[in-house]
Amino acid sequence: EIVLTQSPGTLSLSPGERATLSCRASQSVSSSSLGWYQQKPGRAPRLLIYAASSRATGIPDRFSGSGSGTDFTLTVSRLEPEDFAVYYCQHYGSSPYTFGQGTKLEIK
Amino acid sequence: EVQLVESGGGLVQPGGSLRLSCVASGFPFSTYWMHWVRQAPGKGLVWVSGISSDGSYTTYADSVKGRLTISRDNAKNTLFLQMTSLRVEDTAVYYCTRFNSRDGYNRWGQGALVTVSS
Repeated sequence: EIVLTQSPGTLSLSPGERATLSCRASQSVSSSSLGWYQQKPGRAPRLLIYAASSRATGIPDRFSGSGSGTDFTLTVSRLEPEDFAVYYCQHYGSSPYTFGQGTKLEIK
Repeated sequence: EVQLVESGGGLVQPGGSLRLSCVASGFPFSTYWMHWVRQAPGKGLVWVSGISSDGSYTTYADSVKGRLTISRDNAKNTLFLQMTSLRVEDTAVYYCTRFNSRDGYNRWGQGALVTVSS
């Protein structure tokens, strides 16, 4: 089973700042099978990034993904108030389709 | 518009059973793999189970194997999760998701809350 470890657990930033979230895999993950999701309180998650670096439909270009092998990054270039949420990475190449434990992005 | 609508959640005693349903609309249901993902209160996302587009292949997380059964009725555009021998630790919001090998979980339902408690 691939274990995904996200860091930091909580990230405190202000609107307008840049956010960098990390996702590290216990073994190499195909870049074509790494995704990022955003979840706001009381809401279902939403797909942000798929295949490590492709933005899902309707996702603003301030969100970007990068990485390969065991290290992946989600970057939000300039934080908007609506970006403060919990973010999860996930590998979906094969079963079990594990998620990271999440990074909470909170307003400083 | 793509929609996934779960139903069937509720309160059940430990050892009890429950069946969740997810009705899909707005896309060709029979051509997509479908998965269930759950989230315990205040916790992260956990993959539960997946089923192929024609229902011939299923896969489960070790924690639910033998107790939860995923199935689908393509004629009715409906995904199911039959839950038996439920445990307190199965308490969670269960999300129905549309899966694609290209972009993962590109659609989610609103979730169904299952509470296992005496």
